[in-house]
Amino acid sequence: NAGVTQTPKFQVLKTGQSMTLQCAQDMNHEYMSWYRQDPGMGLRLIHYSVGAGITDQGEVPNGYNVSRSTTEDFPLRLLSAAPSQTSVYFCASSLDSLRSTDTEAFFGQGTRLTVV
Amino acid sequence: GQQLNQSPQSMFIQEGEDVSMNCTSSSIFNTWLWYKQEPGEGPVLLIALYKAGELTSNGRLTAQFGITRKDSFLNISASIPSDVGIYFCAGRSSGTYKYIFGTGTRLKVLA
Repeated sequence: NAGVTQTPKFQVLKTGQSMTLQCAQDMNHEYMSWYRQDPGMGLRLIHYSVGAGITDQGEVPNGYNVSRSTTEDFPLRLLSAAPSQTSVYFCASSLDSLRSTDTEAFFGQGTRLTVV
Repeated sequence: GQQLNQSPQSMFIQEGEDVSMNCTSSSIFNTWLWYKQEPGEGPVLLIALYKAGELTSNGRLTAQFGITRKDSFLNISASIPSDVGIYFCAGRSSGTYKYIFGTGTRLKVLA
């Protein structure tokens, strides 16, 4: 059971380039989310999805797009990378988050992105 | 919006000492989670709490869901060098999907 898998683990982009960060989970979780982690800022929610075909914005969505065509995959797209998007990106998944228990989020190992 | 304050921001302790950290929320939560993150890794779940007053242990770790539902505490007993890392709390309100994360407590253990 792989859990949450993120690729790539490291990436360097030039300003203006685009790329997609991949996230896949094999736990049949309905809820998936993307966070960015910056020093002293904790984890900030970028976008989230409560199921296939349903996405919504989090706390810091600007500059990022997402889609959820399948339950398993939740890619994050940077359309035109900027130095301010240099960060560590984490994908997380959990069961139906309106349950009363067993809704804890499981994280991938992260993608370390540098935009120069 | 909802805010989550985690303290202390960092701790330097001697091996064998006990550690306490806490999180407080501006609103009521129905779920509290505690995570540990080691360098270069993603956060790993330590303890999940779902009921006010609940006290749950995981080895040397004990976490409590505050009675007011606006706070949670994590204690580590008899710390060892491998406890080093950043500890995050996360909370969620009833009827919402999103978890709010604290800014983390960075723990360093001196042998």
